Amino acid sequence: AQSVTQLDSHVSVSEGTPVLLRCNYSSSYSPSLFWYVQHPNKGLQLLLKYTSAATLVKGINGFEAEFKKSETSFHLTKPSAHMSDAAEYFCVVSGGPGANNLFFGTGTRLTVIP
Amino acid sequence: DTAVSQTPKYLVTQMGNDKSIKCEQNLGHDTMYWYKQDSKKFLKIMFSYNNKELIINETVPNRFSPKSPDKAHLNLHINSLELGDSAVYFCASSQDSSGSIDTQYFGPGTRLTVL
Repeated sequence: AQSVTQLDSHVSVSEGTPVLLRCNYSSSYSPSLFWYVQHPNKGLQLLLKYTSAATLVKGINGFEAEFKKSETSFHLTKPSAHMSDAAEYFCVVSGGPGANNLFFGTGTRLTVIP
Repeated sequence: DTAVSQTPKYLVTQMGNDKSIKCEQNLGHDTMYWYKQDSKKFLKIMFSYNNKELIINETVPNRFSPKSPDKAHLNLHINSLELGDSAVYFCASSQDSSGSIDTQYFGPGTRLTVL
């Protein structure tokens, strides 16, 4: 069975400081993992994805995530937060083909303080 | 040049009413989806259509009926609305029918509130 847990519902950082959004997953198979961002009144936008290639994945807007199988984690990081990063972030695990094998986390709201 | 659009953005209605949410994509994609995001932020697939044919139908009450008049449109009709239907509904589209999320383009969502 597949599931994903986002450990923090809300993270607040100051502008220019590092961002860490945590995601742990459970999967019976070798999963594909994704991070999505949702700005207010906008649809989900893909930040990055892991599909069994390099364990450190670089995405758009300076974000990256590291797949750690031993820890079943896929945490999202960014060295320096920008005001425009304030949004909701979703971790997604895919346990197989088909949209009905997608499992979404409950999201982490990132607030960036000027 | 909106890729996936949904109307309306907000919908407030009374219990028992029937309402529709429209979705249109101008990307030329063959597959369209409806997702429901509940109050706990869980996002779950409801339906998927490929070339106007239903390919995924999760355990959704039959009060929900998707309709695809053509490849560019997938509308969601909901009969006898209930309080628990309050959620944000997202439409998405993709070129292929694999369902891989990274190929999907999402609309901005429709926030449905049932009073």
